[in-house]
Amino acid sequence: EIVMTQSPATLSVSPGERATLSCRASQSVSSKLAWHQQRPGQAPRLLMYGASTRATGVPARFSGSGSGTEFTLTISSLQSEDLAVYYCQQYNDWPRTFGQGTKVEIK
Amino acid sequence: EVQLVESGGGLVQPGGSLRLSCSASGFTFKIYSMYWVRQAPGRGLEFVAGINGNGESTEYADSVKDRFSISRDNSKNTMYLQMSSLRAEDTAVYFCVRENYYYDYWGQGTLVTVSS
Repeated sequence: EIVMTQSPATLSVSPGERATLSCRASQSVSSKLAWHQQRPGQAPRLLMYGASTRATGVPARFSGSGSGTEFTLTISSLQSEDLAVYYCQQYNDWPRTFGQGTKVEIK
Repeated sequence: EVQLVESGGGLVQPGGSLRLSCSASGFTFKIYSMYWVRQAPGRGLEFVAGINGNGESTEYADSVKDRFSISRDNSKNTMYLQMSSLRAEDTAVYFCVRENYYYDYWGQGTLVTVSS
């Protein structure tokens, strides 16, 4: 199965600053990469798909990039409501696999 | 509005069985593949099982193969997960997820606790 590796495990960012999250796949997943946001005590929700397309209702401060094996999720200006764990997930092959998550903390 | 509502979780002893349900609304249920994804306490997300729209194709994580069975009733817009021979490591919140190539909608989850 494809192994997804995220870094860093925890990211502490001041409000208004940029947050950059990384995700690496053990083999190419083309652009079939999604990001999910899980706020404390909540279910995950889709944030991004196709590596760079925001899901409905996702603010423009979120952007995604990458293809093949290297991907990035960027939050351009961190807001308090962005406190969450972010998971990347590949859907190029079965089984669908997730990264272990990056926890974004507000500094 | 797409809604996925899980039910059936609870406390069960090791070796016991439990059936989870996921009731779907707000979309044409029969044309979508559906999945169960779980999250152990303080841990990440793990694929458990999936089923295609007509129920003829299923897939399972190695960790649950031969113990769990996924099914669906399109006349009731409901998906199920029959879990047997439960172990402590199956303790988790189980989420129902719709797939539209990617996982696009998640339910709120139901907690399964395996403990004596």
